[in-house]
Amino acid sequence: AIQLTQSPSSLSASVGDRVTITCRASQGISTTLAWYQQKPGKAPKILIHDVSSLQSGVPSRFSGSGSGTDFTLTINSLQPEDFATYYCQQFKSYPLTFGGGTKVEIK
Amino acid sequence: QVQLQESGPGLVKPSETLSLTCSVSGGSINSDYWNWIRQPPGKGLEWIGHIYSGTTNYNPSLKSRVIISADTSKNQLSLNLNSVTAADTAVYYCARDVRGGSYSDHWGQGTLVTVSS
Repeated sequence: AIQLTQSPSSLSASVGDRVTITCRASQGISTTLAWYQQKPGKAPKILIHDVSSLQSGVPSRFSGSGSGTDFTLTINSLQPEDFATYYCQQFKSYPLTFGGGTKVEIK
Repeated sequence: QVQLQESGPGLVKPSETLSLTCSVSGGSINSDYWNWIRQPPGKGLEWIGHIYSGTTNYNPSLKSRVIISADTSKNQLSLNLNSVTAADTAVYYCARDVRGGSYSDHWGQGTLVTVSS
């Protein structure tokens, strides 16, 4: 199975900050990567698919980049509603796998 | 708008079978891929498997214990996981997979299943 390693596992940031989360795959996955946001007690919500395609309705302050094994989720100008846990997921091969998550907390 | 709703017992005894249903509205279970995904309390997400037009694909880590099926007359999915242990305690989600073996764009709210005697 392809392993995804996210870093950091948690971070503290302030409203207005730029936040970057990294996801590293154990082998090349081309552009088959998605990012989700999850708030406590809620289901994950798709933010970005195919590395950099913004899901409909998701604010443009979210962006994704990368290819091969290294990927990045960037949140520009962090908003109060962005404090949550973020997961990457690969769909290059089965089984579909997720990263361990990055919790974004208020500084 | 696709909506999904999981239901089933919140408590299952060790060694017994966990059985959940996912009711789908706003979409046909015949025409899309449907995932089951779980999340142990305070931990990350684990893909269990999916079904498409009666064909299934399972996570090898669970394959010997899991069955995913579909009832097209009710537009419902089912998950059965046998021989459960405390390690199977988790929130279980059903979700629509956008194009089969890809990402999920619509999720149920999830249902917590606790394995305990």
